[in-house]
Amino acid sequence: EDKVVQSPLSLVVHEGDTVTLNCSYEVTNFRSLLWYKQEKKAPTFLFMLTSSGIEKKSGRLSSILDKKELFSILNITATQTGDSAVYLCAVGGGSEKLVFGKGTKLTVNP
Amino acid sequence: SAVISQKPSRDICQRGTSLTIQCQVDSQVTMMFWYRQQPGQSLTLIATANQGSEATYESGFVIDKFPISRPNLTFSTLTVSNMSPEDSSIYLCSASPGQGSTGELFFGEGSRLTVL
Repeated sequence: EDKVVQSPLSLVVHEGDTVTLNCSYEVTNFRSLLWYKQEKKAPTFLFMLTSSGIEKKSGRLSSILDKKELFSILNITATQTGDSAVYLCAVGGGSEKLVFGKGTKLTVNP
Repeated sequence: SAVISQKPSRDICQRGTSLTIQCQVDSQVTMMFWYRQQPGQSLTLIATANQGSEATYESGFVIDKFPISRPNLTFSTLTVSNMSPEDSSIYLCSASPGQGSTGELFFGEGSRLTVL
């Protein structure tokens, strides 16, 4: 059974800190790994990763995938209170569906 | 990208009743999915809504409880039947414009159901 494990489950930091969120996975016929940000109800797309070692960046957020070790990290530098959210990792595999992890709840205090 | 509209955005329902959630996409999409997110939990896939044929349900979900329609490439409905308090969740519609479900998934705003 496909599995996605995120750590930590929750994290509290101060504005300006840098955080690293982790996502490990076990999936048959891996195709892609996606990161989403969920603030209220609808998850919003951040990144999709398919190749190892290629960093994707968007402003203060970046992510990289290691297909040999079966994990990905999401980095957020110079955190702001607006970064407070649940960050979801999802993996697509041979069954053609996305399997989501439980998420990491990030709280950024002023 | 795709913009997905869901309604109702929230509802309070009585035990034993049924509620239908509608999902409208602003463009034709290949794949549409329905997810459930119970309080404090991650997203669990209920089913894939197939255009013109019966939905494909995940383990633990059945058509009698969660009937799904998808009459065309832009619209789908999910009915939560004979509701109980355990059905209190956020129900999310999602769509993938590309092939299969391993491309970027777009989500609707979700429908928060509370069953009393």
